[in-house]
Amino acid sequence: NAGVTQTPKFQVLKTGQSMTLQCAQDMNHEYMSWYRQDPGMGLRLIHYSVGAGITDQGEVPNGYNVSRSTTEDFPLRLLSAAPSQTSVYFCASSTQETQYFGPGTRLLVL
Amino acid sequence: KQEVTQIPAALSVPEGENLVLNCSFTDSAIYNLQWFRQDPGKGLTSLLLIQSSQREQTSGRLNASLDKSSGRSTLYIAASQPGDSATYLCAGNYGGSQGNLIFGKGTKLSVKP
Repeated sequence: NAGVTQTPKFQVLKTGQSMTLQCAQDMNHEYMSWYRQDPGMGLRLIHYSVGAGITDQGEVPNGYNVSRSTTEDFPLRLLSAAPSQTSVYFCASSTQETQYFGPGTRLLVL
Repeated sequence: KQEVTQIPAALSVPEGENLVLNCSFTDSAIYNLQWFRQDPGKGLTSLLLIQSSQREQTSGRLNASLDKSSGRSTLYIAASQPGDSATYLCAGNYGGSQGNLIFGKGTKLSVKP
């Protein structure tokens, strides 16, 4: 099993550009989530999904969209990037209890 | 508001020392608590998970305890090694099967040879 994979590993955007952060898992987990990690702030939940077709907001959802068309994939979309979205983004999938994290995407918005 | 706090923010110890990392949480209605390790520039690796009905979990040189009544968890590392150097994060699960985690900001551990 590859576990949780994320692409790209690193991305530079200009303010106002859009992009999609990809996340995929091959463990057949129903639950998937996106976190962002910022210095001094820890990890904060952006959006999560409890299964295909079902998504909900976390603590910091503004500026981000998600969809879950399959069990395996959970992309995170930035429609109009802002410098405040410079961060490291982690995708996770979980059983009912334990979460498994991807390696992260480092995003820089200029 | 549910909050998770970790103290200290950084810790430096000589190799071979036993050490304790602390985690406190404001809401005792916790489903479980998980300890993670994060190496620089890497993702998170789960170390131990303690269910709300459990008091402790052990894996090798690691032992984690949970006291819901006092809102505290500790991670005990025995006979520390330079390879243990990393940031350790604790996270409270208040979502049950949904697994929404509230993270502490972490303790950065440095073990000196």
